[in-house]
Amino acid sequence: GAGVSQSPRYKVTKRGQDVALRCDPISGHVSLYWYRQALGQGPEFLTYFNYEAQQDKSGLPNDRFSAERPEGSISTLTIQRTEQRDSAMYRCASRKQGAGANVLTFGAGSRLTVL
Amino acid sequence: ILNVEQSPQSLHVQEGDSTNLTCSFPSSNFYALHWYRWETAKSPEALFVMTLNGDEKKKGQISATLNTKEGYSYLYIKGSQPEDSATYLCAFSHQGGKLIFGQGTELSVKP
Repeated sequence: GAGVSQSPRYKVTKRGQDVALRCDPISGHVSLYWYRQALGQGPEFLTYFNYEAQQDKSGLPNDRFSAERPEGSISTLTIQRTEQRDSAMYRCASRKQGAGANVLTFGAGSRLTVL
Repeated sequence: ILNVEQSPQSLHVQEGDSTNLTCSFPSSNFYALHWYRWETAKSPEALFVMTLNGDEKKKGQISATLNTKEGYSYLYIKGSQPEDSATYLCAFSHQGGKLIFGQGTELSVKP
């Protein structure tokens, strides 16, 4: 697509439920990143992929968080047994290659609220 | 641990003032330094990416410099305008491709 598309834009869920957040990167972009952003804070790194391979998942807070990109395009970030502290904006970004010289293009984000 | 620090945390200036924002990052295993502009309720948008020590980039009244040996980058806005009000984020990557953001500098330009 023309831009990075994320869905849902807003998700309200009850504590203990599982949620899946989807990211559709720009067509042809090799690298896909997931960030979490609290209000007024910079994006906090969660994980990233080159093609379908998860290169680094060191930012995932705990084992309730997982991500996949099975065909090297669309990615899903899954949060199991959600807790109130998981409430945040989850941003996806993609770029042409994994090399550092290419900029990230961000999606609009998925705002998660856990009640 | 990769730590990216930005200063000041917030900055309030008058229209026409020039501003200088600082980003410090680990100088070892450096690969690239990015600057992004983020307006509330929108997504961060890329301003610059720099990879070489001494790099200077310019876009309109905004410019950036890079010192990889000492681990800092400056973002300079000449003659700030109210529309420059935003949070400016820097991000560092080493050769592994992981991109780590600082907390940002929130700039407010009053008319």
